[in-house]
Amino acid sequence: QKEVEQNSGPLSVPEGAIASLNCTYSDRVSQSFFWYRQYSGKSPELIMSIYSNGDKEDGRFTAQLNKASQYVSLLIRDSQPSDSATYLCAVNGTNAGKSTFGDGTTLTVKP
Amino acid sequence: GAVVSQHPSRVICKSGTSVKIECRSLDFQATTMFWYRQFPKQSLMLMATSNEGSKATYEQGVEKDKFLINHASLTLSTLTVTSAHPEDSSFYICSAPTRQETQYFGPGTRLLVL
Repeated sequence: QKEVEQNSGPLSVPEGAIASLNCTYSDRVSQSFFWYRQYSGKSPELIMSIYSNGDKEDGRFTAQLNKASQYVSLLIRDSQPSDSATYLCAVNGTNAGKSTFGDGTTLTVKP
Repeated sequence: GAVVSQHPSRVICKSGTSVKIECRSLDFQATTMFWYRQFPKQSLMLMATSNEGSKATYEQGVEKDKFLINHASLTLSTLTVTSAHPEDSSFYICSAPTRQETQYFGPGTRLLVL
């Protein structure tokens, strides 16, 4: 079992729809959780961080964390073609600053 | 967010030569930096953890004598690919965590070994 698992996709949604990206992790003592976006040929860029259970909203993005279920998700509202990218889930455990990444979910938003 | 730079952004070299890639944290200090490699359409692969003032920690399967890492200061880490071969052609990305443990990535270096 991988430490951080994501659906590889590809996930395809129409423009304006809600895209839902999911991530599960195996280490119960994980402290910090991050979502990154990676466009083809570019390096990852941080979208959201979340540290406590519940929802965290930033513009069209909402991160959801459920530590009991070891589950973190990212919702993208009003999806745009420019949101088409690979989304990486990252989890930090007790090793300060070291993130474990999922393999990523590729999202395509169709006009 | 924090800014991490990498240089060069792209390099083409002949087989057998060595290539040095620099990673700098521009607006924060980083005692630790991370080096990743990514092949086309594949996931990020952590190669090593660069530690300021001490030896780097390499992931299993990564040759430490081939991928030399030096963390010279709190804002600079370098990765040297020694005696590069075509199979070393890849996208090399560094990252640095802030005090809040958030990783910020450099823009990456695309290496092509002929």
